[in-house]
Amino acid sequence: NAGVTQTPKFQVLKTGQSMTLQCAQDMNHNSMYWYRQDPGMGLRLIYYSASEGTTDKGEVPNGYNVSRLNKREFSLRLESAAPSQTSVYFCASTLSTDRGGTQYFGPGTRLTVL
Amino acid sequence: AQSVTQLDSQVPVFEEAPVELRCNYSSSVSVYLFWYVQYPNQGLQLLLKYLSGSTLVKGINGFEAEFNKSQTSFHLRKPSVHISDTAEYFCAVTLNNAGNMLTFGGGTRLMVKP
Repeated sequence: NAGVTQTPKFQVLKTGQSMTLQCAQDMNHNSMYWYRQDPGMGLRLIYYSASEGTTDKGEVPNGYNVSRLNKREFSLRLESAAPSQTSVYFCASTLSTDRGGTQYFGPGTRLTVL
Repeated sequence: AQSVTQLDSQVPVFEEAPVELRCNYSSSVSVYLFWYVQYPNQGLQLLLKYLSGSTLVKGINGFEAEFNKSQTSFHLRKPSVHISDTAEYFCAVTLNNAGNMLTFGGGTRLMVKP
């Protein structure tokens, strides 16, 4: 099992450009999440998908959109990148029936917006 | 809404010394509590979690944490650290009926010196 995979690992964008971060899991998990990590702020939830076909906003959704393509894949799109979106992005998944569900994280995408 | 405070942003310690990383949370309802570890340039992985029962929880790599409901704390301890424990440690909470969404603290960087 590869677990949770993310592409790309690194990306540099110019202000106003768009891009999609890809995430896939092979653990047959129902729930998937996108977080951003900024120094001193821990991880903050951007969007989540409790199950295939549903998505909901988290703590910091502005400037982002998501698509739950199927049970395995959950993508994050930046339509018009801004320097404030410079961050490390992590995708995670969990089996939603797992009580106090352990989340399994991907290796992250380091994004710089100039 | 719940929140998590990690009182120390950095903790330097010598190899083979004991360490305690502090975590306090606030919530008006019952929570589940987690500690995650992030090694350099990697995603997060679960160290341990408290769901219910015994307040002393043992995790991987010799770490343990104690849930103290009256002090709303969940401090992480290890009696003797190794160089390989150098990493960032995150405390997190989820409401026990909140769809497994995590709220993270700001993180504590543990620096183990030889």
